[in-house]
Amino acid sequence: QKEVEQNSGPLSVPEGAIASLNCTYSDRGSQSFFWYRQYSGKSPELIMSIYSNGDKEDGRFTAQLNKASQYVSLLIRDSQPSDSATYLCAVNRGYGNNRLAFGKGNQVVVIP
Amino acid sequence: EAGVVQSPRYKIIEKKQPVAFWCNPISGHNTLYWYLQNLGQGPELLIRYENEEAVDDSQLPKDRFSAERLKGVDSTLKIQPAELGDSAVYLCASSLAAGGLGMQYFGPGTRLTVL
Repeated sequence: QKEVEQNSGPLSVPEGAIASLNCTYSDRGSQSFFWYRQYSGKSPELIMSIYSNGDKEDGRFTAQLNKASQYVSLLIRDSQPSDSATYLCAVNRGYGNNRLAFGKGNQVVVIP
Repeated sequence: EAGVVQSPRYKIIEKKQPVAFWCNPISGHNTLYWYLQNLGQGPELLIRYENEEAVDDSQLPKDRFSAERLKGVDSTLKIQPAELGDSAVYLCASSLAAGGLGMQYFGPGTRLTVL
């Protein structure tokens, strides 16, 4: 079992719609969770962090964490063409062990 | 605030040649990471430094890869000799000290092509 799994294929959403991305992780001891956005040919850019169960909102982005079920999700509201990118889920094993395990990413395409 | 700086941005070499990548982390960030990213995959950690000390190098192929961070700031990652399979993007990232909450910030990366 991979540490972090993002299994969905490319996601196409119309402009203005909600894009929903999911991620599961295997290590129950994981403490912190991140979403990175990566444009084609560019490096990952941190867009969201979440540390406790529940929802965290930042602008049009909402991260959701459920530690009991070991999943993290990202919602992008009012999707814009500029949101077209690959979104990487990353999980940190915990304090004093800053090793991020990444999923392979999900590509989002926002159709104008 | 300046971000993580990496050079070169692109490198094309023949197989069996040596290559080196340089990274300057965000000012004040004690922790520095080197990652490798293959096309269609997430970054994979090669080595993590806390100041000058390499505290996690379990994924570094030590027969051909080496890294150093002599003064606890800049770092160099070297491959010698390079193989065709080393073609990838090499990313450097930095974060505040290990006791923090793990937010890592990436540099622009070096795209290596081995012919």
